[in-house]
Amino acid sequence: DTEVTQTPKHLVMGMTNKKSLKCEQHMGHRAMYWYKQKAKKPPELMFVYSYEKLSINESVPSRFSPECPNSSLLNLHLHALQPEDSALYLCASSQSSNPGELFFGEGSRLTVL
Amino acid sequence: AQSVTQLDSQVPVFEEAPVELRCNYSSSVSVYLFWYVQYPNQGLQLLLKYLSGSTLVKGINGFEAEFNKSQTSFHLRKPSVHISDTAEYFCAVRELNTGNQFYFGTGTSLTVIP
Repeated sequence: DTEVTQTPKHLVMGMTNKKSLKCEQHMGHRAMYWYKQKAKKPPELMFVYSYEKLSINESVPSRFSPECPNSSLLNLHLHALQPEDSALYLCASSQSSNPGELFFGEGSRLTVL
Repeated sequence: AQSVTQLDSQVPVFEEAPVELRCNYSSSVSVYLFWYVQYPNQGLQLLLKYLSGSTLVKGINGFEAEFNKSQTSFHLRKPSVHISDTAEYFCAVRELNTGNQFYFGTGTSLTVIP
């Protein structure tokens, strides 16, 4: 299984809502990532978890809250978002200790009204 | 930190013509190099990667890339493009032994013209 699965594929939320994005992989990867991508732009790193511990936080606003419950799951909790947070949110995973590529999910398209 | 440059933001090319998408990176430290393709409303899919060994790397869909250490480049090529190759292409770099950080170029939008 070489897939990274993200749910939901589409999400529309108001600025006062609380929602979560979910990501799952069963490749035994111990590094998991959240990226934010705007149209025609490269993915922008938000968070990296390594062995279920947060290892990189790219100064992301606190209205985005990551969580790694176990080695296969990664969540991104969303609260009080702004319209400019509308984007494609990509989850990825990679081997942590050996060289290798990022495996990406299909993304969650988020629209904040 | 690495800087990854994709000088060509848009590349139009006629169907069945060859294409080269350029990628240069900044650091002279040992790196792993990747090319990803992104079709509309999808995630990024790995086209090919250079980890070590032969500097000419072959990937999926007929793409290949050549690693040039002296020029810190990793240009992507295809001898004959198809309409289905129309997509966004990203070059990415991962430094050896510096953890899980990947650096992406700004992307090249390839449009294949019938």
